[in-house]
Amino acid sequence: GAVVSQHPSRVICKSGTSVKIECRSLDFQATTMFWYRQFPKQSLMLMATSNEGSKATYEQGVEKDKFLINHASLTLSTLTVTSAHPEDSSFYICSAYIRGEQFFGPGTRLTVL
Amino acid sequence: LAKTTQPISMDSYEGQEVNITCSHNNIATNDYITWYQQFPSQGPRFIIQGYKTKVTNEVASLFIPADRKSSTLSLPRVSLSDTAVYYCLVGDRLGNQGGKLIFGQGTELSVKP
Repeated sequence: GAVVSQHPSRVICKSGTSVKIECRSLDFQATTMFWYRQFPKQSLMLMATSNEGSKATYEQGVEKDKFLINHASLTLSTLTVTSAHPEDSSFYICSAYIRGEQFFGPGTRLTVL
Repeated sequence: LAKTTQPISMDSYEGQEVNITCSHNNIATNDYITWYQQFPSQGPRFIIQGYKTKVTNEVASLFIPADRKSSTLSLPRVSLSDTAVYYCLVGDRLGNQGGKLIFGQGTELSVKP
């Protein structure tokens, strides 16, 4: 199956700074990628759908100006958490939708101090 | 999108067969049933997918009754390494909804020695 990578695997930042998380599809092109957020002991929550060459589609309740998504190529989508606050601390997971299957990245642990 | 209901947690012992049942009463005609496994601080991993009757692979079996309103994931002879959260998802594999998957609460399986 396809391999999806995320970078960084974990990041610690100060409150008020912005953090960029990369999601790469290593061996397949993905026109659609998804971003999820997962708090401890909870399920994955879909944040947005990232479409190559167009604007992302955000789920209800997710602030598009705070979570900036860019899908500039068929193998890379980025999620930028702007002006991060401690409540944004979470596990962020991306996935690539390829030929009817969804392949997940290993996740990025964000800790905002 | 069809909603799923699973037990929150299950306990088992090494070597036993574990069956996790998922209810999806309003499954649509085009929907497939997919199970994922997630270890702590990792992205979900695909286990098995099916549409009807029975599907078996090297990891698990999936039993789907004729009405498709439920499904059962069967893990033969579990080991300690099978301790994880298991998610049952229902969605259109063919991409008519863009591959969007919504995770329910999942079942936390704990395998004891």
